[in-house]
Amino acid sequence: EAGVTQFPSHSVIEKGQTVTLRCDPISGHDNLYWYRRVMGKEIKFLLHFVKESKQDESGMPNNRFLAERTGGTYSTLKVQPAELEDSGVYFCASSQETGAGTEAFFGQGTRLTVV
Amino acid sequence: AQSVTQLGSHVSVSEGALVLLRCNYSSSVPPYLFWYVQYPNQGLQLLLKYTTGATLVKGINGFEAEFKKSETSFHLTKPSAHMSDAAEYFCAVSDLLRTGTASKLTFGTGTRLQVTL
Repeated sequence: EAGVTQFPSHSVIEKGQTVTLRCDPISGHDNLYWYRRVMGKEIKFLLHFVKESKQDESGMPNNRFLAERTGGTYSTLKVQPAELEDSGVYFCASSQETGAGTEAFFGQGTRLTVV
Repeated sequence: AQSVTQLGSHVSVSEGALVLLRCNYSSSVPPYLFWYVQYPNQGLQLLLKYTTGATLVKGINGFEAEFKKSETSFHLTKPSAHMSDAAEYFCAVSDLLRTGTASKLTFGTGTRLQVTL
């Protein structure tokens, strides 16, 4: 069974440009999460999809970030326009359920560098 | 609000020595606690978790952790370190919402474990 897949693995863009990150969750997982780790700091929650609906987007930093999950399958996270402070590793995770202690499966992450 | 504190951003142990990675949490409700590991160039992988029941939980690769409510701790241990244990380890807490669904994970800052010969 394929795990959570993220594209690209690395991205270097200039300040002001647009970048789109993609996440393919494990097949059949209704729950999809985005997290971000800024260098040296903790991994922080960005948002949670249940199928195509946003269940919780309380962690989204500002309106430069747009997440979508059309059809409830893969998800994209667009940053437009990118700023220097957006640099970090973006992780996607998916889970089949949302019960107590449900394991979330993580992708390898996308390392975004804004210069 | 929940929070997780991991003492020590870097820990170095000799091969064969005890591994102890510390995690303290703050949660207003009974917590669900996790340890994840990230090996180089890989994603986060679940090591073990505590939900309810036995407070000593065993995970993969010989790791275990003990939930101590009185100390609000969930330290990770392994009796004998192996070179392959070198990785970054993250403690996380989740809680159960009134809807019955688990909330997002709140992570600590991570501890990088180095294992030397």
